[in-house]
Amino acid sequence: GESVGLHLPTLSVQEGDNSIINCAYSNSASDYFIWYKQESGKGPQFIIDIRSNMDKRQGQRVTVLLNKTVKHLSLQIAATQPGDSAVYFCAERGTGNQFYFGTGTSLTVIP
Amino acid sequence: DAGVIQSPRHEVTEMGQEVTLRCKPISGHNSLFWYRQTMMRGLELLIYFNNNVPIDDSGMPEDRFSAKMPNASFSTLKIQPSEPRDSAVYFCASSQTGQPQHFGDGTRLSIL
Repeated sequence: GESVGLHLPTLSVQEGDNSIINCAYSNSASDYFIWYKQESGKGPQFIIDIRSNMDKRQGQRVTVLLNKTVKHLSLQIAATQPGDSAVYFCAERGTGNQFYFGTGTSLTVIP
Repeated sequence: DAGVIQSPRHEVTEMGQEVTLRCKPISGHNSLFWYRQTMMRGLELLIYFNNNVPIDDSGMPEDRFSAKMPNASFSTLKIQPSEPRDSAVYFCASSQTGQPQHFGDGTRLSIL
């Protein structure tokens, strides 16, 4: 099946700096991608999504970039805050309606 | 609006016992997913339903695992008999077709 992997398992940033979390995917036919945030003791929470006909999408303090040429996805968080500390997952839609999740990146924000 | 509701939040039981995890999806969502999360394997899709019908159960690890969705507002994941290697956090998620999944807060299962 499809595989989705993250380049960095852990990331530490200073409060106020920008964070970039990367993700590689394997299925060039994937047409929909989602970033999730998971805090301790909770389920993954939707942050932002992007479809394959776009290469950039912005939300509030977050931007997702999609590079289909190299099958790479990134999540940028502007002005990172302590509340952004969590594990971040990218997910790739496979055939049907199921999603395949990456292994996750743990983001720690240093006050 | 209530999100996905899972019960129990925590379950500790001895190996060999039957375990039943429950999920109430968000009203109006037509797809329901069961995941298992461990440190070693990350978040794995076990099975998903569309309109109460199981579509893909290829992620169910063994015959000891079974899932049902008797109606649009309820699903169960059952493990019988349970084994220590089944210890994990089990998540239920729901969505409308093609839309992002909404996750519950999970059931933390420990099999002794």
